[in-house]
Order: sequence, then C-alpha cells, then structure tokens
Amino acid sequence: GQNIDQPTEMTATEGAIVQINCTYQTSGFNGLFWYQQHAGEAPTFLSYNVLDGLEEKGRFSSFLSRSKGYSYLLLKELQMKDSASYLCAVLDSNYQLIWGAGTKLIIKP
Amino acid sequence: DAGITQSPRYKITETGRQVTLMCHQTWSHSYMFWYRQDLGHGLRLIYYSAAADITDKGEVPDGYVVSRSKTENFPLTLESATRSQTSVYFCASSENESGELFFGEGSRLTVL
Repeated sequence: GQNIDQPTEMTATEGAIVQINCTYQTSGFNGLFWYQQHAGEAPTFLSYNVLDGLEEKGRFSSFLSRSKGYSYLLLKELQMKDSASYLCAVLDSNYQLIWGAGTKLIIKP
Repeated sequence: DAGITQSPRYKITETGRQVTLMCHQTWSHSYMFWYRQDLGHGLRLIYYSAAADITDKGEVPDGYVVSRSKTENFPLTLESATRSQTSVYFCASSENESGELFFGEGSRLTVL
C-alpha cells in the first residue's frame, strides 16, 4: 500500500530552527509537496520538490532524497505565526496526491 | 473576487437528508477536487474532475455524487447523509494534474 509518515506533533522555540521529516512509500513518484495549514483554515502551498536536493525559499527550505523516500521541511528563525500543521504529500505514478496526516508544530515564546 | 469559494461554510443536517456543498473557482483551472479532512487522517480524496463533464472517483467516493457541467463549478452532493460523513470538506483546483492545489476555505458539515 501507499504510505506517508510524518511526526504527529513537534514543539520548538521562537527564533530557533526546526526540521519536519516525511518518509514515503508510494507507487511511483512525480513530486513531493509541502503545505501549511493554520487551525481552522485551508492548506496553502509551501514547496514542491521533484529532483533530489534542497530548495530554499526565504525562511523555509525543503529537501528531497528520492532513493531514500525521504523529505524534510526546514523552518528557520521561527515566528509565532509558524504555529500550524505542515502537510507532506506525494504525487504518485497516476498523478494522485497521497497525503500524510500532518505535523502539528507548536511554537513557544 | 477571484479565487475559489465554497458554500456553505457551516452546515448542520440530520441523518438521511440530502446535502449539497458548492464550489466555485474563477481561474478557469482544469482540475478540481473534493477532499475530506478528519482528525488523525490525511486529506482524503472523494472525487476529482479533469475538465467539464469529466469526473472520477477518489479514495472515498461512497455516499457522494459530483457533477461538473461548467468548468468553474464543482458541487458535491451527499445523497443521504450519515454520521460518518461529519467532516470538514475542502474543494481545491489546479491548472494541471501535477500543479499546486488552491484550496477553498472549507465547509464544516455536522450530521446528527
């Protein structure tokens, strides 16, 4: 079966760095997405990786290793507004998105 | 305003009733999707559409019906609501099958 694993919850301190991991086992691979979802709101797009390596976008970076079935989202200089759930999703060989259950990130002052 | 909008945002209904959730997008995106989101689960795809008059089942289609007579609208109907369909429903659209998704604000449905 297809599976996406990410930690259920993480806690970090304002101003610090946090890494949210995602491992996947899917039927084929056509890219990996990260979305941010604040409580009670819709998910919004953060990043897309289809080739191995690191993609940097401001305070957020996303890394992909296709051979290891692994990705991480790195958040730097954490702010209180980064408190949210972070969703990992993989596009499989049929171009269907397989979603992880999400990681709830709690930022403490 | 341009974007993707859902209605109603909140709905309470009773078991056995028919409910329709509306979704409208102004970008002329080809692809539209309906997801449900429940605690402890990832987003689960109910139905999707690649273009007007083309729809296909997702992971959890039972008990739901969709139509897409116009590119901009993609309504989701629960023909006879059950308590297990209590959930938050998100509509989304994308330009193509591998593009980023743009989500509506969500419709929170409670079935009593």
